Amino acid sequence: NAGVMQNPRHLVRRRGQEARLRCSPMKGHSHVYWYRQLPEEGLKFMVYLQKENIIDESGMPKERFSAEFPKEGPSILRIQQVVRGDSAAYFCASSRTAEPGNEQFFGPGTRLTVL
Amino acid sequence: KQEVTQIPAALSVPEGENLVLNCSFTDSAIYNLQWFRQDPGKGLTSLLLIQSSQREQTSGRLNASLDKSSGRSTLYIAASQPGDSATYLCAVPSGSARQLTFGSGTQLTVLP
Repeated sequence: NAGVMQNPRHLVRRRGQEARLRCSPMKGHSHVYWYRQLPEEGLKFMVYLQKENIIDESGMPKERFSAEFPKEGPSILRIQQVVRGDSAAYFCASSRTAEPGNEQFFGPGTRLTVL
Repeated sequence: KQEVTQIPAALSVPEGENLVLNCSFTDSAIYNLQWFRQDPGKGLTSLLLIQSSQREQTSGRLNASLDKSSGRSTLYIAASQPGDSATYLCAVPSGSARQLTFGSGTQLTVLP
């Protein structure tokens, strides 16, 4: 009964490099959500995906950030040309259905540090 | 736009005390409200989820109440222990009701 899995747990990148964060939802869950927690700030929604579809990306920065959830494999949050301001904890959550207000289960997060 | 506020931002109590954490939200048309616990450097642990039709939910020493009409929820922790020290977050579905809007949390310290 594995929960939501995220890897890596910690990621260090230099400015200008790319960061790839992976999220495997709970078994039986096909809906994935990404949230970001900046230092000293609350969690903010970034994007909601179903298999092979981006449903809501209203919280994604307009540039450098992208997300995907392929038919096979984990969901990927990709940050190109990282800057120091991208340093944050990135959390993934999953839900079983798309019912409004459906309970989301969170992973342990990936802590990104940009040097 | 839904906004969630938590008061106080930080709280320090001696072990054994009962305490109340507060959460308020601006749009009362919510499906549910969820309380989470976050330990330093760790992920979120779901504590309680209250559906909009419920007034309270209990789990062990935790009791959460919900008053939709006034836009408030409280998390009551009985007989606090040092192991309860963590940041407590409340969240409500908003937007398309798929995304969660979080409060900024209450950082609780229970002193032995």
